Amino acid sequence: DAGVTQSPTHLIKTRGQQVTLRCSPKSGHDTVSWYQQALGQGPQFIFQYYEEEERQRGNFPDRFSGHQFPNYSSELNVNALLLGDSALYLCASSFFPKSTDTQYFGPGTRLTVL
Amino acid sequence: GQQVMQIPQYQHVQEGEDFTTYCNSSTTLSNIQWYKQRPGGHPVFLIQLVKSGEVKKQKRLTFQFGEAKKNSSLHITATQTTDVGTDFCASSNSGYALNFGKGTSLLVTP
Repeated sequence: DAGVTQSPTHLIKTRGQQVTLRCSPKSGHDTVSWYQQALGQGPQFIFQYYEEEERQRGNFPDRFSGHQFPNYSSELNVNALLLGDSALYLCASSFFPKSTDTQYFGPGTRLTVL
Repeated sequence: GQQVMQIPQYQHVQEGEDFTTYCNSSTTLSNIQWYKQRPGGHPVFLIQLVKSGEVKKQKRLTFQFGEAKKNSSLHITATQTTDVGTDFCASSNSGYALNFGKGTSLLVTP
């Protein structure tokens, strides 16, 4: 039973560039959430996708956008990268309607913006 | 969202000592979840508490949810070097976003 997978593992970009991060949820899960974790901080909720639609969004600018595909996998896109976007980006999957239960996190993508 | 505050931010113990981290909120929480993130790793779900006054145990770990559902604690008995990492509490609102505390980083020296 495959867990949550994310790609790539690490990524280095320069300011102003755009980046796409990918996530495949745990088998049987249909809901994907994205979190940003800055160094020394707790994960911060970016948004959640269910049935290919954004269900809830955190306090992040429009430069952050996402998509969910029919197979439940998801992408996170960040445009016009800033130095402050450097962080670990975590994808978490769960099964709606039990979204209040366990969220399984992937290993994350470490994004460095130079 | 339901904001949660964690204390202490850091804790350094000798192996064998006990350790407790606290999670507090100014508002009533619908639930509290605890996650463990080991160095270089990702958060791993430990447990969820939903009932007032609930206490759950997992081997050396004891989790409590306050009677008013505004605070929670994680207590580790007889720490081991394998307990090193950051413990996070988190709470969800309407079953969507998880609001995490800043975590307590635990260092255990032999």
